[in-house]
Amino acid sequence: EAQVTQNPRYLITVTGKKLTVTCSQNMNHEYMSWYRQDPGLGLRQIYYSMNVEVTDKGDVPEGYKVSRKEKRNFPLILESPSPNQTSLYFCASSPPGVWGKLFFGSGTQLSVL
Amino acid sequence: AQKVTQAQTEISVVEKEDVTLDCVYETRDTTYYLFWYKQPPSGELVFLIRRNSFDEQNEISGRYSWNFQKSTSSFNFTITASQVVDSAVYFCALSEAGYNTDKLIFGTGTRLQVFP
Repeated sequence: EAQVTQNPRYLITVTGKKLTVTCSQNMNHEYMSWYRQDPGLGLRQIYYSMNVEVTDKGDVPEGYKVSRKEKRNFPLILESPSPNQTSLYFCASSPPGVWGKLFFGSGTQLSVL
Repeated sequence: AQKVTQAQTEISVVEKEDVTLDCVYETRDTTYYLFWYKQPPSGELVFLIRRNSFDEQNEISGRYSWNFQKSTSSFNFTITASQVVDSAVYFCALSEAGYNTDKLIFGTGTRLQVFP
């Protein structure tokens, strides 16, 4: 089944404890992106990647890192999480030729205490 | 700058009513794409439609229809004969074509509740 898989689904952590949210897609998509969803703010892009080894900042990159060593994986890293990073996170990928048709993962609800 | 406004935060209707979700956008570009996504209570986001700025024809897909009007910078979404399964948060989004084709700007969403 074609899908974007995010893990974990829920995560509670404490301030300053490094964490990684994994994202993997099996559709051979070149484009991948991370969004965070907050009440009243909609979805905001954190980072995106046009292809392997190519990543760039979105609208709200502060406090996040990403890497794209393989086409299928695009992990989101919070090296020193803070409470303002408590949010619902979505990974997405998009096929070539249909720009903007995003396939989303199921989301990761992160709480930073 | 790009901006998408969904002024309706929440809409409640009774089943079988028609409902229109408004979306107003701002862009400097003449070539752009507009989108609608659905987020049901289960949380996943689902692509509904993509429209490019050169195609102003309205589109109908079953009970869903979309009205694109460049003159008013709007891309409204109508659900005819709404059903409980239509209850979700709906997001409108915009992407400019050309140089910066990597960014999708989302509106803040409209929560639709359809009551039986």
